[in-house]
Amino acid sequence: KNQVEQSPQSLIILEGKNCTLQCNYTVSPFSNLRWYKQDTGRGPVSLTIMTFSENTKSNGRYTATLDADTKQSSLHITASQLSDSASYICVVPYNTDKLIFGTGTRLQVFP
Amino acid sequence: GAGVSQTPSNKVTEKGKYVELRCDPISGHTALYWYRQSLGQGPEFLIYFQGTGAADDSGLPNDRFFAVRPEGSVSTLKIQRTERGDSAVYLCASSPNSGTSSYNEQFFGPGTRLTVL
Repeated sequence: KNQVEQSPQSLIILEGKNCTLQCNYTVSPFSNLRWYKQDTGRGPVSLTIMTFSENTKSNGRYTATLDADTKQSSLHITASQLSDSASYICVVPYNTDKLIFGTGTRLQVFP
Repeated sequence: GAGVSQTPSNKVTEKGKYVELRCDPISGHTALYWYRQSLGQGPEFLIYFQGTGAADDSGLPNDRFFAVRPEGSVSTLKIQRTERGDSAVYLCASSPNSGTSSYNEQFFGPGTRLTVL
């Protein structure tokens, strides 16, 4: 079954700290993996898209890694800010037009 | 507009009623997607339009759900005989091209929160 699983389900950290979110997927065939940030009451916003050949990709304080062999990805957030509080969703396309979303990791950054 | 817009932002209705949810995609985007997001869950695919036609409607849960995009731009998701289980946030996304290659990013609207009492 094509699935995307994320951990942890929720995470609380202090402002300025780093954190890493995990994503495991079983979607096949694989073409790319996406990380989205979803603020409360808003639609998801793309952070990064990684293809099969990319191992790591950065977008500001966000760094995503991908291991296509183990079907795992991580999103590392450096020097967290209060505005990083949101849900982070891992997404893997299935077939040509469907996205399979993970359930997300809800991150809360406290001062 | 600059982004995908959806109206209304919130809709409260009674069980058994009919509702319409509207999506205005980014101008020029040919692909349009509808998703449903239940509380604490990731979005689930409902239907995908390429131009005016529904290219894939396999995610629609049953025949009470229907969507149209008559002119290849604005889309309306229609739900008949609403049930309490239909309560969710309905997200719309558009993309300049079809498919899910790494070049085809989907841009999401803010969603419509539907509550069925």
